[in-house]
Amino acid sequence: DIQLTQSPSFLSASVGDRVTITCRASQGINNYLAWYQQIPGKAPKLLIYAASTLQSGVPSRFSGSGSGTEFTLTISSLQPEDFATFYCQQLNSYPWTFGQGTKVEIK
Amino acid sequence: EVQVVESGGTLVQPGGSLRLSCAASGFTVSRNYMGWVRQAPGKGLEWVSVIYSGGTTYHADSVKGRFTISRDNSKNTLYLHMNSLRAEDTAVYYCAKILGGYATYAFDYWGQGTLVTVSS
Repeated sequence: DIQLTQSPSFLSASVGDRVTITCRASQGINNYLAWYQQIPGKAPKLLIYAASTLQSGVPSRFSGSGSGTEFTLTISSLQPEDFATFYCQQLNSYPWTFGQGTKVEIK
Repeated sequence: EVQVVESGGTLVQPGGSLRLSCAASGFTVSRNYMGWVRQAPGKGLEWVSVIYSGGTTYHADSVKGRFTISRDNSKNTLYLHMNSLRAEDTAVYYCAKILGGYATYAFDYWGQGTLVTVSS
């Protein structure tokens, strides 16, 4: 199974900050990497797919990059509605796996 | 508008069975890849099952042999048949449409989730 390790698991940031979350895969995943945002009590929301493609309707402050085994999600200027937990997911091979999550809280 | 709505979650005893439903609107279930993802209380996301438009299915090892994904094309509805339930199956179960076809890119539309609690 492909393991995804996100770092950090928790971060405290202020509105306006630039935030970067890393997702490392235990083996290459051919850029079949998605990022989701989950607000407590709500379903996850797709932000990025194919490592760097912004899902329709998602604000442009979100961006994804990376290839091979290391990927990043960047929020260029954190907004109040961005405080949530973020997950990466690989869909390169079964079983599909998620990272453990990164919780972004208000400093 | 694309929408998926899950139902069927409830309290069930260990060893019991349950069927979750996912009613879709705004798109055709049989022409898309569809899947189930679960989230145990206070935990992260776990992929459970997927069904391709051609009917091929895959399940996570943790549910293989106990859970089965299926669909009813006439009702435009996805199902998750759950047998031999265990306490560790307690979770919110999400139904989701998959972006892509031959290449699977992400879960792009999610339902609100339905809670399954396995307890005596």
